[in-house]
Order: sequence, then structure tokens, then C-alpha cells
Amino acid sequence: DSGVTQTPKHLITATGQRVTLRCSPRSGDLSVYWYQQSLDQGLQFLIQYYNGEERAKGNILERFSAQQFPDLHSELNLSSLELGDSALYFCASSVVSSGGAGTGELFFGEGSRLTVL
Amino acid sequence: AQRVTQPEKLLSVFKGAPVELKCNYSYSGSPELFWYVQYSRQRLQLLLRHISRESIKGFTADLNKGETSFHLKKPFAQEEDSAMYYCALTGGSARQLTFGSGTQLTVLP
Repeated sequence: DSGVTQTPKHLITATGQRVTLRCSPRSGDLSVYWYQQSLDQGLQFLIQYYNGEERAKGNILERFSAQQFPDLHSELNLSSLELGDSALYFCASSVVSSGGAGTGELFFGEGSRLTVL
Repeated sequence: AQRVTQPEKLLSVFKGAPVELKCNYSYSGSPELFWYVQYSRQRLQLLLRHISRESIKGFTADLNKGETSFHLKKPFAQEEDSAMYYCALTGGSARQLTFGSGTQLTVLP
């Protein structure tokens, strides 16, 4: 499958802990985007990387950080977890860095469901 | 700041009836608007974009800058149209895709 892959699919952890979510973009895509979807919330943009560099930042908490590696996979690190961090975290990728504009269609992964107890 | 509002969380129509999913946006410049769809057990995927002026699966959406709306329409709904629909916007130097909260469409037999 050459689509966007995210691991783990499900993760249960306790408050105060730290987790890492991983995303592999589609083959050839240079941009990676992270979104958070909480209960009753739409998709909230967190951060975008393009070819290893941070390109855009949204409503990402200071407790969260991300990076994109030379092989273009990305990791989202969530630390000092709180109950409110429970959510579905989506990764998306695109060829260009335009955030979806023009021909920059975003291709989404299946998401990582994080539950903080 | 850019903002997308989808006023209906849930929408049910009968098969063969017209359907309209509402989307309003707030953006000071010239936005690009999109509809993304998520069918059951599938990934979120692009349905259509306003710059293409295309009809996909019978759906169309017209950008109305005066009303700042980008409603999604289909004249005759089908059961396979049941899904979660998200309106999204991008524009300006930020180039981030901002999503609405989504509308769950159910087409009843």
C-alpha cells in the first residue's frame, strides 16, 4: 500500500505520559500535515513539514512537537498528556507545500486514536 | 484568520431527494474551497474543489463570494452518498487547510 500510513492505530496511556505517533507519507510526497480531531470538533490543523522543514504551524500546544526525517516520515510527540488530549490524530501528505491549494490535494492516513486515562 | 462553519452536524434525506450541505467561510482574501468526504471505514478524501468547477459523483458546489458560502448540492441523493462531509478552505501565505466541523449525511432508503 503506497498510501499514507500511521502507527499505532490505537494507543491508550495515562495522564502525564509521553507518546510518539508516526506517519509515513505517500511515495513522492514531500509535505506532511498533522491534524487533531477531538470529540465534537472538526479537524484542527497542528503543523506542517515540507522536505524536512517546518512550513506552517497551527494550534499546536507547547507540549506537542513534531519533526520530519530525511526519509520524509514524520513523528508527532505528545508529552505531559492530559485527558483533553484524547483524540484522533490524522496525518496527511501532499506533493507540494501549498496546504491543499491548487493541485496540492491532501491524502490522509487512517488516523491514530489516542486515549488518555 | 480563516474559519469554516458547517451549521448542520447531522442531515438525513430520503433516497432520490435533493440534498444540500451548507458551508460558510470567513476569509479576507481570495480563498480556495474544497469538500472532503469520509465514507464508512475509509479515509478522508478529496471530493471536489471550487477551482475545478467539476461535478463529482453528481455533487456540485458553487463559490458565492457575496454570501461567503460554498454549499454542496446533489439533485438526487443515493444511499451510497451517506458519509461525513467536510468543507475546507485555504488561502494566503499561511497555506494551511482549515476544516469545518463536518456534516454527517444519511440517505435513507
